[in-house]
Amino acid sequence: TQLLEQSPQFLSIQEGENLTVYCNSSSVFSSLQWYRQEPGEGPVLLVTVVTGGEVKKLKRLTFQFGDARKDSSLHITAAQPGDTGLYLCAGNFGNEKLTFGTGTRLTIIP
Amino acid sequence: DAGITQSPRHKVTETGTPVTLRCHQTENHRYMYWYRQDPGHGLRLIHYSYGVKDTDKGEVSDGYSVSRSKTEDFLLTLESATSSQTSVYFCATRARSSYNEQFFGPGTRLTVL
Repeated sequence: TQLLEQSPQFLSIQEGENLTVYCNSSSVFSSLQWYRQEPGEGPVLLVTVVTGGEVKKLKRLTFQFGDARKDSSLHITAAQPGDTGLYLCAGNFGNEKLTFGTGTRLTIIP
Repeated sequence: DAGITQSPRHKVTETGTPVTLRCHQTENHRYMYWYRQDPGHGLRLIHYSYGVKDTDKGEVSDGYSVSRSKTEDFLLTLESATSSQTSVYFCATRARSSYNEQFFGPGTRLTVL
């Protein structure tokens, strides 16, 4: 069973600050996805990273895939209250299923 | 928006009663998934389907069964609900890509008393 560990579990910061959350596994991913989930809703796909060392940007969000494809990070620049939510990484290990991390619950304080 | 609806959105039931949750999609996606989400556990796969009448177990399948008689509908049944099955249940479909990108429904909050 592949396990994904996300850290930190909770993060509360002031508006305008920068932050990074992490997703780690002992197994190699064939690809990895980041989702954001808001209260009362289902997760929404933000990005998919595929190649080791890949960096993708989505406005103020920067996603990086580790060179060995065992870890990933999400960096948010100048956080805004609208970034508040649960961030989930999900690993695709080359089969029909995704393995989700336990999530990072982010709160941005105005 | 992958056109996924779930019903009911909220349900309260008693221990020992059968419960069926429905997921409906309009995108003609082949793969469909049922997850449960609990604090501290993230999303855990219950069952999934890779086509009409083709289903397989996930990591937490005990106490659950599924059926898929049409491409657009995937049903999750709790034969005899227990308090440990109190959770939020999400249905998802898989995009037509190589990377198993998934679209999620809005969820069903189930409380078993």
